[in-house]
Amino acid sequence: DQQVKQNSPSLSVQEGRISILNCDYTNSMFDYFLWYKKYPAEGPTFLISISSIKDKNEDGRFTVFLNKSAKHLSLHIVPSQPGDSAVYFCAATGNQFYFGTGTSLTVIP
Amino acid sequence: DTAVSQTPKYLVTQMGNDKSIKCEQNLGHDTMYWYKQDSKKFLKIMFSYNNKELIINETVPNRFSPKSPDKAHLNLHINSLELGDSAVYFCASSQEPSGPGPDTQYFGPGTRLTVL
Repeated sequence: DQQVKQNSPSLSVQEGRISILNCDYTNSMFDYFLWYKKYPAEGPTFLISISSIKDKNEDGRFTVFLNKSAKHLSLHIVPSQPGDSAVYFCAATGNQFYFGTGTSLTVIP
Repeated sequence: DTAVSQTPKYLVTQMGNDKSIKCEQNLGHDTMYWYKQDSKKFLKIMFSYNNKELIINETVPNRFSPKSPDKAHLNLHINSLELGDSAVYFCASSQEPSGPGPDTQYFGPGTRLTVL
């Protein structure tokens, strides 16, 4: 039972363009959402988060959008840089953390 | 300065063996976790410990047991290893949230366990 889903396992984007990573969830009781970034052979690191009472949170080149009615959130990276190439995990939490399976982003120079 | 460290990074062992993975955090956090990332890259929480008390215990086999000698350590013991236990195991820690929403979790680098 996967309560958080990332349906795109991979994404390739040209340097300087926008990267959009998507995440869907099923549990309307989730009240906090997070994005993690993971490089090979390293643990995931926290990137950005959003509370369910907001619909947008911005931090530099990273913006997370939350659409509660659609149970959907997305991470926008603009402009994309080659160093952004990594696996991005979406996570949602109520009492426990639930992670998506990740989307591998490749930014092409 | 490594915030959350795990040892070993790689572990190859035979079916039926008993093994342990160690985790240490130097962040002064109150809660530590173990996650399993399976071959489908799904990251699932296994356990969490808060001040030596188990507060989350997912439906994992009782062959898996977390041991916390002190607040900075949460080790994972696995008895009678099975092929399906092959995965990457991540340790993480977090502080008690000071405001709305949970605090973020800091992850270790992961331990790749291969059971032959």
